[in-house]
Amino acid sequence: DAGVIQSPRHEVTEMGQEVTLRCKPISGHNSLFWYRQTMMRGLELLIYFNNNVPIDDSGMPEDRFSAKMPNASFSTLKIQPSEPRDSAVYFCASSFTRMATEAFFGQGTRLTVV
Amino acid sequence: DQQVKQNSPSLSVQEGRISILNCDYTNSMFDYFLWYKKYPAEGPTFLISISSIKDKNEDGRFTVFLNKSAKHLSLHIVPSQPGDSAVYFCAAARFTNAGNNRKLIWGLGTSLAVNP
Repeated sequence: DAGVIQSPRHEVTEMGQEVTLRCKPISGHNSLFWYRQTMMRGLELLIYFNNNVPIDDSGMPEDRFSAKMPNASFSTLKIQPSEPRDSAVYFCASSFTRMATEAFFGQGTRLTVV
Repeated sequence: DQQVKQNSPSLSVQEGRISILNCDYTNSMFDYFLWYKKYPAEGPTFLISISSIKDKNEDGRFTVFLNKSAKHLSLHIVPSQPGDSAVYFCAAARFTNAGNNRKLIWGLGTSLAVNP
């Protein structure tokens, strides 16, 4: 299995632009998580899906952030418009169960907003 | 407000010695604890976990100890190897209101360097 696949690995964009991060979970996993990692706040859960349905989006920082999971093999995290403070590493993770434990992480997308 | 704290940003040990990574938490509702390891440019990978009904869990060279009264857990690596050099994250889980799913709360990590 290829594991959780995220794209792009790196993204540099100008403030105000729309950014879309993509994730392909491990086949057969029914839960998907989006995390953001910063030096100051560490790893923060933004949103998670179970069976393609958003279960908890309380970690999404603002309305500028949105996430979708149109099918079991694909999810997107969109930031529109982007701001410099959105610069971080964004991780996608998936797991077999609804429990947010023992999840498998992708390699992350390093986002830089200038 | 950090509910899960890893007070040592970094730790350096000699190969073959014991590495002890510490983690403190403030929420007594946490009922499951995990350690993840992260190499540069990779996502975190699950290492070991422990339920609040236990005080110790061992997996090969890795042992996690839980002291509920002190709200403290630690990860012991014996013997330490250079390949163990990574950032180690402590995470705690509690049941959320959203369908009884467990939402992980993470520490900021401790960077371990094992010197040959």
